[in-house]
Amino acid sequence: DAGVIQSPRHEVTEMGQEVTLRCKPISGHDYLFWYRQTMMRGLELLIYFNNNVPIDDSGMPEDRFSAKMPNASFSTLKIQPSEPRDSAVYFCASSLQGNEKLFFGSGTQLSVL
Amino acid sequence: GIQVEQSPPDLILQEGANSTLRCNFSDSVNNLQWFHQNPWGQLINLFYIPSGTKQNGRLSATTVATERYSLLYISSSQTTDSGVYFCAVCPYNTDKLIFGTGTRLQVFP
Repeated sequence: DAGVIQSPRHEVTEMGQEVTLRCKPISGHDYLFWYRQTMMRGLELLIYFNNNVPIDDSGMPEDRFSAKMPNASFSTLKIQPSEPRDSAVYFCASSLQGNEKLFFGSGTQLSVL
Repeated sequence: GIQVEQSPPDLILQEGANSTLRCNFSDSVNNLQWFHQNPWGQLINLFYIPSGTKQNGRLSATTVATERYSLLYISSSQTTDSGVYFCAVCPYNTDKLIFGTGTRLQVFP
């Protein structure tokens, strides 16, 4: 299995632009998680899905952030408009079931200038 | 919410030394996992260990759920063990994995 696949690996954009991060979970995994990692706040859970349905989005920082999972093999995290404080590494992760071993993608390094 | 504390925050070792990393959590949990983030940023799952002891090569982990802590043992450390080690817990009645602040390990030859 190719593991969790994220794209792009790096994204540099200007304040105010729309940013879309993409994730393909491991085939057969029913749970998908989006995390954000910063020096100040560490690894924070933003949102997670079960069978393509958002279960808990309480970690999404603002209305500028939105996430979708249109099918079992694809999810997006969108930031519109982006701000410099959104600069971070965004990770996608998946697990077979909730409360089971979690596998991470390689992350997207986002820089908002 | 649940608090996850890891110690020590930083650890510097010479190759061949052994070490113990600790994770304390403030409430009962469904499961606990240990991760290694290598210097390139990749997060690798080391152990899924809600209770008991597991071993994988030079690494082993023990979780004592009733006392709300877990330990990660690294024996005969190598430079490739460098990076940040995270403990993450899943509180009851949720599927959310909450991460600790990590232990940064540097192993020198």
